[in-house]
Amino acid sequence: DVKVTQSSRYLVKRTGEKVFLECVQDMDHENMFWYRQDPGLGLRLIYFSYDVKMKEKGDIPEGYSVSREKKERFSLILESASTNQTSMYLCATHPRSSYNEQFFGPGTRLTVL
Amino acid sequence: AQKITQTQPGMFVQEKEAVTLDCTYDTSDQSYGLFWYKQPSSGEMIFLIYQGSYDEQNATEGRYSLNFQKARKSANLVISASQLGDSAMYFCAMSYYGGATNKLIFGTGTLLAVQP
Repeated sequence: DVKVTQSSRYLVKRTGEKVFLECVQDMDHENMFWYRQDPGLGLRLIYFSYDVKMKEKGDIPEGYSVSREKKERFSLILESASTNQTSMYLCATHPRSSYNEQFFGPGTRLTVL
Repeated sequence: AQKITQTQPGMFVQEKEAVTLDCTYDTSDQSYGLFWYKQPSSGEMIFLIYQGSYDEQNATEGRYSLNFQKARKSANLVISASQLGDSAMYFCAMSYYGGATNKLIFGTGTLLAVQP
């Protein structure tokens, strides 16, 4: 059974803190994605990675960075968290060269106070 | 640029009735895919159904069918015989090739409430 896990379901951080969100998959997929979901805006792509150490900006990369040192793990980093980064963060994976669906993790609801 | 539009922020349907969730898309690509996902209140994204741009027949998966009208650029989701467990947020999405890989663009979602 395919599995995408995220390090936390709920997270509360203070403004200015450095925040790490981790995503781990066991499906050997090349592609991994980070989205944020906000009411009325749907899911928006922050960053994606198509191979180890390879990454590209999505539609809203400002204020975020990512790291992919191993194929199964993709981290989203908020260098200095701000209140406007309070959101639901979803990780997804996808095999390369496939038109199949993306597989999602359970999400992390981040609140920045 | 690619765009997905879901014009129904919320809908009610009676249990056992059919419901159609609207989705229109815009792309200049010839090859693309259309997806529907369900997101219950627990938050996980559940894949429901897929339609390829070259597929001539509408996709079906159990009680879900995708009404694909290519000329009108619409990809509506039809849920037959609604159940209480169908109450959730539904997202339409389109795949496109951007940069190094296929990516998805999502609509803003439709919140479906099934009434007993």
